[in-house]
Amino acid sequence: DQQVKQNSPSLSVQEGRISILNCDYTNSMFDYFLWYKKYPAEGPTFLISISSIKDKNEDGRFTVFLNKSAKHLSLHIVPSQPGDSAVYFCAASGGSNYKLTFGKGTLLTVNP
Amino acid sequence: ETGVTQTPRHLVMGMTNKKSLKCEQHLGHNAMYWYKQSAKKPLELMFVYSLEERVENNSVPSRFSPECPNSSHLFLHLHTLQPEDSALYLCASSRGVLTTYEQYFGPGTRLTVT
Repeated sequence: DQQVKQNSPSLSVQEGRISILNCDYTNSMFDYFLWYKKYPAEGPTFLISISSIKDKNEDGRFTVFLNKSAKHLSLHIVPSQPGDSAVYFCAASGGSNYKLTFGKGTLLTVNP
Repeated sequence: ETGVTQTPRHLVMGMTNKKSLKCEQHLGHNAMYWYKQSAKKPLELMFVYSLEERVENNSVPSRFSPECPNSSHLFLHLHTLQPEDSALYLCASSRGVLTTYEQYFGPGTRLTVT
């Protein structure tokens, strides 16, 4: 049973526009959420995170929104750049800090 | 980012072979992890070590045997694997299992079992 779901396997946007990547979770014990980015032939790289006590966290062009009642989080990238093209993984943790549960990932393609 | 390195990057082995994957972290972290990523599946946590002590064994078959001789090095010893074990094996590290969530990943070893 998948506890973290990224229902869009892929997303394509134009350079300069907003990219919105979505993630849903089912485990109400999750209280910390992370986004990772992965380029081909590289390991995932930590991007941004959010605690369940917040509903928004911003870092430059990246903003993560958390809707606890809907068990939904999203990553907004504005403006999108071709270098943002990668697979984005959503991950969640609850209870024990080190045990991350990952989604399957969404392939973002930003077209010039 | 070269904080976590993994060797080899690619490995092809038969089902009767014995091989080892190596991971090294240069970040001064105290916790290290092995993950498996199969095609079209999420990353699966396999093992967790904290200060060289194993704190998690996520129902992994005994044909996978981890070893953590010190906080900078982590090995995954492989023997009598099955074709379904073919996957990307990722190593990660973090400051500690209790103090931080962010994990830093290596580039992975692409394993093919024939």
